[in-house]
Amino acid sequence: DAKTTQPNSMESNEEEPVHLPCNHSTISGTDYIHWYRQLPSQGPEYVIHGLTSNVNNRMASLAIAEDRKSSTLILHRATLRDAAVYYCILRGSGGSNYKLTFGKGTLLTVNP
Amino acid sequence: EAQVTQNPRYLITVTGKKLTVTCSQNMNHEYMSWYRQDPGLGLRQIYYSMNVEVTDKGDVPEGYKVSRKEKRNFPLILESPSPNQTSLYFCASSLGTFSNQPQHFGDGTRLSIL
Repeated sequence: DAKTTQPNSMESNEEEPVHLPCNHSTISGTDYIHWYRQLPSQGPEYVIHGLTSNVNNRMASLAIAEDRKSSTLILHRATLRDAAVYYCILRGSGGSNYKLTFGKGTLLTVNP
Repeated sequence: EAQVTQNPRYLITVTGKKLTVTCSQNMNHEYMSWYRQDPGLGLRQIYYSMNVEVTDKGDVPEGYKVSRKEKRNFPLILESPSPNQTSLYFCASSLGTFSNQPQHFGDGTRLSIL
């Protein structure tokens, strides 16, 4: 499985932007980059995904490097409810390649 | 509301007593999966199903069974639970198996096997 590398933890202040990095140097051409987050005592929650171009949705933005070997999840204005573990995951297609392989993720702390 | 529903949310039981954790989704999703989450090990896939009557092993299938008789349901069966199956379990579903489709997770089932 193509692996990702994320910092173990990051800290932010409320209402400031947060940039969560992810390295995936062994990404294949057909792998999508997905981000999930897990709030305390809840199941993982889909945040955003992309292939090559930068993506925006109501929750966040995803900036993908031109060589696709790294990406950054951007929370434009962090709130206390954004405190969670954020996972960067590469997704292949079909059968066993379709599973989500969760690493340790980045624990985001948001200070009031 | 679109959701994945797991039951029970919490269960304490004893070694060897068969149990079933149910999972149901109301989104007409084809793909369903079970994960377990353990401290230091992250989430690991147990079994998955790509459609009705189609199931396959994930990374840690030992001691578990699944069935997919209906599209909406994907129960996880522990025929003879043991203490090493004490864990937090999540069911997930997605529309299909294309790599651009997100998975939706349930709220989890915390199992304690004594």
